[in-house]
Amino acid sequence: AQSVAQPEDQVNVAEGNPLTVKCTYSVSGNPYLFWYVQYPNRGLQFLLKYITGDNLVKGSYGFEAEFNKSQTSFHLKKPSALVSDSALYFCAVRSMNTGFQKLVFGTGTRLLVSP
Amino acid sequence: GAGVSQSPSNKVTEKGKDVELRCDPISGHTALYWYRQSLGQGLEFLIYFQGNSAPDKSGLPSDRFSAERTGGSVSTLTIQRTQQEDSAVYLCASRTSGEAGELFFGEGSRLTVL
Repeated sequence: AQSVAQPEDQVNVAEGNPLTVKCTYSVSGNPYLFWYVQYPNRGLQFLLKYITGDNLVKGSYGFEAEFNKSQTSFHLKKPSALVSDSALYFCAVRSMNTGFQKLVFGTGTRLLVSP
Repeated sequence: GAGVSQSPSNKVTEKGKDVELRCDPISGHTALYWYRQSLGQGLEFLIYFQGNSAPDKSGLPSDRFSAERTGGSVSTLTIQRTQQEDSAVYLCASRTSGEAGELFFGEGSRLTVL
């Protein structure tokens, strides 16, 4: 079965500091990995994805994530946080195996960036 | 429209009533998903449609929940005999047929069952 763990309910960081939001996954076969962001009372917006190739992927708003197969992790990072980055972040995984079309989400991590 | 459209944006109903939630996906997207987001919870998969294939209904929590997709486009999620625990935000998403495509989400339909 596919699963995603986001071990931190909330991450607090000061503006200008680097941020990391953690994600680990479990899936049979190779994974497709995604990060989404949700602002209050809004739907989810796509940030970035890992499908294959370079383990470091870059996405929207200066975010990046590193795929680590040995640690089954896909942590989201940003070198310098902005107050406007404050939101709810979701990691998601889907197996590359055909027939596994369901995208499984983690429980989300709330990021609070203080001025 | 350019994005996934959901209606109604808010629905308040009484326990025991039936509700219908509508999703209009991005034109040309063949895959359509419904998820449920309860307060303080993550996203719970409900159902997945892909083209003319049989839908994956494995996430529907009970037989009170059903969904259909007409003409490969608009989808309707129906909840019969609503219960208070059905209160949540119901999110619809669509993507292209390619397996690696990301999901595009609508703004959601917030359901409150009194």
